[in-house]
Amino acid sequence: DAKTTQPNSMESNEEEPVHLPCNHSTISGTDYIHWYRQLPSQGPEYVIHGLTSNVNNRMASLAIAEDRKSSTLILHRATLRDAAVYYCILGQYNFNKFYFGSGTKLNVKP
Amino acid sequence: DAMVIQNPRYQVTQFGKPVTLSCSQTLNHNVMYWYQQKSSQAPKLLFHYYDKDFNNEADTPDNFQSRRPNTSFCFLDIRSPGLGDAAMYLCATSRSTEPSTDTQYFGPGTRLTVL
Repeated sequence: DAKTTQPNSMESNEEEPVHLPCNHSTISGTDYIHWYRQLPSQGPEYVIHGLTSNVNNRMASLAIAEDRKSSTLILHRATLRDAAVYYCILGQYNFNKFYFGSGTKLNVKP
Repeated sequence: DAMVIQNPRYQVTQFGKPVTLSCSQTLNHNVMYWYQQKSSQAPKLLFHYYDKDFNNEADTPDNFQSRRPNTSFCFLDIRSPGLGDAAMYLCATSRSTEPSTDTQYFGPGTRLTVL
């Protein structure tokens, strides 16, 4: 199974940018990098995904290293509502697999 | 709004008493997934359906079964719940079985307590 490694927890101040790192050294050429987040007492929700190039959407940005062995989810201005567990996941092509890593619990301070 | 609905949100059962959790979707997606999430852990895939085709994960215990009578509904049956089966059970859907590119949409989950 492709594995991802994330810090257990991170803390941020409200209104400041947050950079959530993820290592995926065993990634293969066809694996996509996904980020989901899970707010307390809710199911996970999609944040962003990408293959090689950096990606932006209304929620966040995804920066992917040139060798693709790591990536960073960027929340440009953290709000209290962004406090959640953020999961970095490799979508393994042709394996129909979507394994969650252990996730990073983000705490946002007012 | 199109969504994934799970009922009930909280379920209490007794040790060894069969229990069924339900999931419905209005997204008309081909694929439905069931995940188990224990306290402070990441979700773990149990199995998924692509249309009527059932795909079991190798390490999913036989105690867990699933049914998908139509596109909209999927059920998780736990035949003889043990204390270790207490968890949040998450249902998700996607348009296709290509998770490398496809987005999964999750329901709010059913929290199962086993007494």
